[in-house]
Amino acid sequence: SQTIHQWPATLVQPVGSPLSLECTVEGTSNPNLYWYRQAAGRGLQLLFYSVGIGQISSEVPQNLSASRPQDRQFILSSKKLLLSDSGFYLCAWSRLYEQYFGPGTRLTVT
Amino acid sequence: AQKVTQAQTEISVVEKEDVTLDCVYETRDTTYYLFWYKQPPSGELVFLIRRNSFDEQNEISGRYSWNFQKSTSSFNFTITASQVVDSAVYFCALSEVSGGGATNKLIFGTGTLLAVQP
Repeated sequence: SQTIHQWPATLVQPVGSPLSLECTVEGTSNPNLYWYRQAAGRGLQLLFYSVGIGQISSEVPQNLSASRPQDRQFILSSKKLLLSDSGFYLCAWSRLYEQYFGPGTRLTVT
Repeated sequence: AQKVTQAQTEISVVEKEDVTLDCVYETRDTTYYLFWYKQPPSGELVFLIRRNSFDEQNEISGRYSWNFQKSTSSFNFTITASQVVDSAVYFCALSEVSGGGATNKLIFGTGTLLAVQP
């Protein structure tokens, strides 16, 4: 069966510091991968998606970037965090239609 | 543009009551998919159901049932005999299929917080 992992689970970082969040998927190959952010108001916003290694599409211009160095690894990064980057970050994978989500990373920028 | 509306921000019920969560969507696509996800306090989104636009048959899974009506662009979710463990935020979502189905991006509603009181 497929499993999706995210780490860290929680993170507190100062403004201006770098960020690296990692997502890995087990039990499937060549999945589509997604990064979402859920702000305090509850809505889910798609940030990036990837259909293959090195293929990244950005949905919203922002302070973040994504990379897919391996088939089942998806990384969300920032060179300098802003206060507005705080939120709950969710990674998801899909093969056909449903997306399956990881446990999320709660990021607080202070 | 595609859009999902969950007009109910919060619902509070007492255990064993039935509750219906509303979802209305907008799309110009003739083929699309609708989903419901549950987000318990732990935060992880749990997939509940997918419905294809060409299949309007209602579905029942235990205490859960879904009513899909294309005529009113609605995909409502009913929990029968609610339990405290049903307390969560529930999201309705619509898929945007592009690139021959390659990306399948989801458009989420803003969610409905369901609180089931004992």
